[in-house]
Amino acid sequence: AQSVTQLGSHVSVSEGALVLLRCNYSSSVPPYLFWYVQYPNQGLQLLLKYTSAATLVKGINGFEAEFKKSETSFHLTKPSAHMSDAAEYFCAVSEGLTGGGNKLTFGTGTQLKVEL
Amino acid sequence: NAGVMQNPRHLVRRRGQEARLRCSPMKGHSHVYWYRQLPEEGLKFMVYLQKENIIDESGMPKERFSAEFPKEGPSILRIQQVVRGDSAAYFCASSPTGRNQPQHFGDGTRLSIL
Repeated sequence: AQSVTQLGSHVSVSEGALVLLRCNYSSSVPPYLFWYVQYPNQGLQLLLKYTSAATLVKGINGFEAEFKKSETSFHLTKPSAHMSDAAEYFCAVSEGLTGGGNKLTFGTGTQLKVEL
Repeated sequence: NAGVMQNPRHLVRRRGQEARLRCSPMKGHSHVYWYRQLPEEGLKFMVYLQKENIIDESGMPKERFSAEFPKEGPSILRIQQVVRGDSAAYFCASSPTGRNQPQHFGDGTRLSIL
């Protein structure tokens, strides 16, 4: 079974500082990986996805993630944090299902706090 | 292009009542998924449907929970005889056809059981 581990349930950074949110995965097949962001009382918004085309993936809002097979990691980074980045971030791995769909297995999430 | 629409946004039920949650996928999306988010936890897969078919329900509790996606109308997640432990946020997602396409999420239904 596939799984995702997010280290650090809460991360706090200063505005303008580097954001690093950690994600490690376990998968018996080449994984498809996603990062989603969730703002309070809203659904999940896709930040970026890894589908084996390139190991460094750029997403929306200045975020990017690097796939490292040797480390089974897919950490999310942003060079300079903004107050509007405060939210909960979820890493997910995709598993194909019969019928052409896929099931997402999520990590437990990392709450990002941005301080002045 | 409207996103995934879920209603109601908030639903309050007393123990023993039924809860019906609705989801209209994005236009052009034929795959619908339901996830549950318990407090302080990530989202957990419940069920995957296509029109008139349940494809995978491996994450659904064995009793009281059912889902459908009829030929016409929204997908419905139905919880019968609700209990306190059913209190959670329920999210619907949809995706187009194709392996590992990103899923697009609705804003969820927050279910509270009194």
